[in-house]
Amino acid sequence: ILNVEQSPQSLHVQEGDSTNFTCSFPSSNFYALHWYRWETAKSPEALFVMTLNGDEKKKGRISATLNTKEGYSYLYIKGSQPEDSATYLCAFSGTSYGKLTFGQGTILTVHP
Amino acid sequence: DARVTQTPRHKVTEMGQEVTMRCQPILGHNTVFWYRQTMMQGLELLAYFRNRAPLDDSGMPKDRFSAEMPDATLATLKIQPSEPRDSAVYFCASGLVYGYEQYFGPGTRLTVT
Repeated sequence: ILNVEQSPQSLHVQEGDSTNFTCSFPSSNFYALHWYRWETAKSPEALFVMTLNGDEKKKGRISATLNTKEGYSYLYIKGSQPEDSATYLCAFSGTSYGKLTFGQGTILTVHP
Repeated sequence: DARVTQTPRHKVTEMGQEVTMRCQPILGHNTVFWYRQTMMQGLELLAYFRNRAPLDDSGMPKDRFSAEMPDATLATLKIQPSEPRDSAVYFCASGLVYGYEQYFGPGTRLTVT
C-alpha cells in the first residue's frame, strides 16, 4: 500500500498571504509526482508534473519543488487570492503507466 | 478545446438496479482511468486501460463492478446490482501512454437509495 500524505489538511489564509503545503510520498520506485487543483463542483485540473529530483516548476503565482531522495514536494502560492481557494491534491506515480495514488488533499480557503 | 466527457452527470437509482456510466476520452489518448471520490477514501483508482486493454482493476469490487472499452472513443463502468454504499462521484480521466498529465472529466454523481 502506497502512502501519500498531505499536510495540512486545511488552511485558511487572508488575501495577499503566501502559503505552502507539503506532500510526502515513497522515495523508492519513483516515476513522477503530480499536483492537481480541484475547485468545488469541478474536476481536478493538472498544475504540475515533476519527474526529476530537484525539479522546480512555476505557473504564475504558484510554484512547486521536488525532493525524490527524501520523498517530499512543496507547493507554494505567493500572494494568495480568493480564486485560489480549492483543494490541492498531490499524486504519486511509481510506474510509467500513469497509475496514480492520490493524497487526501489540502483544502485552501483564501479570505478577502 | 478537447476534453473528457462523461454521461450522465447525475444519476439517482434504487438499490439493486443496474447503473452504467460512460466516458469519452480525449481523441488520441490511449490510457483511460476510472476513479471514485468518496468522503472517506478521497480519490481512489478503480480501473485503468491502455490501448483499450484493462491493465489494472484491483481497486474495483469485482462482484458487482465491471469496466470495459468497447472502442477507443468509449469507456464504460457498470455496477450491477447497485448498493447505497456505491453512492459517490465517479470520474473518468484520459492521458497518453508514458505521458504525464491526466485530464479529468466532469464526473458522474451517483446516488443509490
